[in-house]
Amino acid sequence: KAGVTQTPRYLIKTRGQQVTLSCSPISGHRSVSWYQQTPGQGLQFLFEYFSETQRNKGNFPGRFSGRQFSNSRSEMNVSTLELGDSALYLCASSFRDRGRSNEKLFFGSGTQLSVL
Amino acid sequence: GEDVEQSLFLSVREGDSSVINCTYTDSSSTYLYWYKQEPGAGLQLLTYIFSNMDMKQDQRLTVLLNKKDKHLSLRIADTQTGDSAIYFCAETLNTGGFKTIFGAGTRLFVKA
Repeated sequence: KAGVTQTPRYLIKTRGQQVTLSCSPISGHRSVSWYQQTPGQGLQFLFEYFSETQRNKGNFPGRFSGRQFSNSRSEMNVSTLELGDSALYLCASSFRDRGRSNEKLFFGSGTQLSVL
Repeated sequence: GEDVEQSLFLSVREGDSSVINCTYTDSSSTYLYWYKQEPGAGLQLLTYIFSNMDMKQDQRLTVLLNKKDKHLSLRIADTQTGDSAIYFCAETLNTGGFKTIFGAGTRLFVKA
């Protein structure tokens, strides 16, 4: 079974631009979560989607948005990029069983975004 | 509140045991996890423990949970150079939807 795939692997943008990152979950997984990883802040939760609905959101400004498609693939978008948005963006999928709280996450290798 | 704390660095000699500690704040968490991140890669689930358990052993890994003190630890027996990585403690919160939050990660250095 293929793992979680994130594209692109590396991205360089300039301030003010926007960027779209893509994540394909493991087949059969309906939940996709996004995280921002920086050396100073560790892993920060961005949002979680399940069956095309955003079910949870972290404390990030509205410039960060996402969506999930009917095939469970997810995209996240960052508009008006700032230098501080430079980070590794990780996507994780899980097989969400209704009512169960054991959320084993399977991570992609991430997209390394550099904002110049 | 939502917070997971862990020390940032640990250095051990090859063959010794490593113990990585973590504290969490949300007592309603039902599952707690340990993830491992190697350079250039995403996180990989190592093991997890249900909150009604005190201990879980999985080969060289032992997880201890003290729910009263909200303290979680991961012991790696016979640590090898291949165990050098960043280890993250995590808990899943049920806030309408599920949200897993992570500690800052403990960087484990294994000296040959």
